[in-house]
Amino acid sequence: DAKTTQPPSMDCAEGRAANLPCNHSTISGNEYVYWYRQIHSQGPQYIIHGLKNNETNEMASLIITEDRKSSTLILPHATLRDTAVYYCIVMNSGGSNYKLTFGKGTLLTVNP
Amino acid sequence: NAGVTQTPKFQVLKTGQSMTLQCAQDMNHEYMSWYRQDPGMGLRLIHYSVGAGITDQGEVPNGYNVSRSTTEDFPLRLLSAAPSQTSVYFCASRLAVITDTQYFGPGTRLTVL
Repeated sequence: DAKTTQPPSMDCAEGRAANLPCNHSTISGNEYVYWYRQIHSQGPQYIIHGLKNNETNEMASLIITEDRKSSTLILPHATLRDTAVYYCIVMNSGGSNYKLTFGKGTLLTVNP
Repeated sequence: NAGVTQTPKFQVLKTGQSMTLQCAQDMNHEYMSWYRQDPGMGLRLIHYSVGAGITDQGEVPNGYNVSRSTTEDFPLRLLSAAPSQTSVYFCASRLAVITDTQYFGPGTRLTVL
């Protein structure tokens, strides 16, 4: 799987958009970008994933650059409950590649 | 739908004791896995299963056994607990090959003295 690079921490004001970057310059053509988050002491939670096109769901938007070497997770209106560690993961979809490799992620702190 | 459940939430063991961490899911997911998470680190895969009767090793399998007799249950057994196994353990499941969205349980905090 391609490795990812994320900033260790970020701050965001409550109600503002939180933009979390991720670099994955060695991503291959069949690898997806996944985002999970882990709120303190809880199990990781799936947020969103994408291959080439930008994606949006009820939680967030995912913007993937045209060369697919980086992406940004956008939380449009961050709340205090969005304070968590956010993990960007690149992997093949399905098949025998079952392992999710979590790095250290980005600690997002949403401030009142 | 309870999702992925884990018991117990907390456990303290003495070195050499054995125990089983329970994991169950009610979503009819084929794939289940066990991870451990140590302070300041990401999750590391211990064992996984692609269906009932099938299990395989992950990154850090030593000291742990698993079995998958039913689709719903995937227990993790510590054979002889060691202080190095002090960690938070997460069980996860996913539906099938097509999707990689994993659903995680709430975790079990294990301390081995």
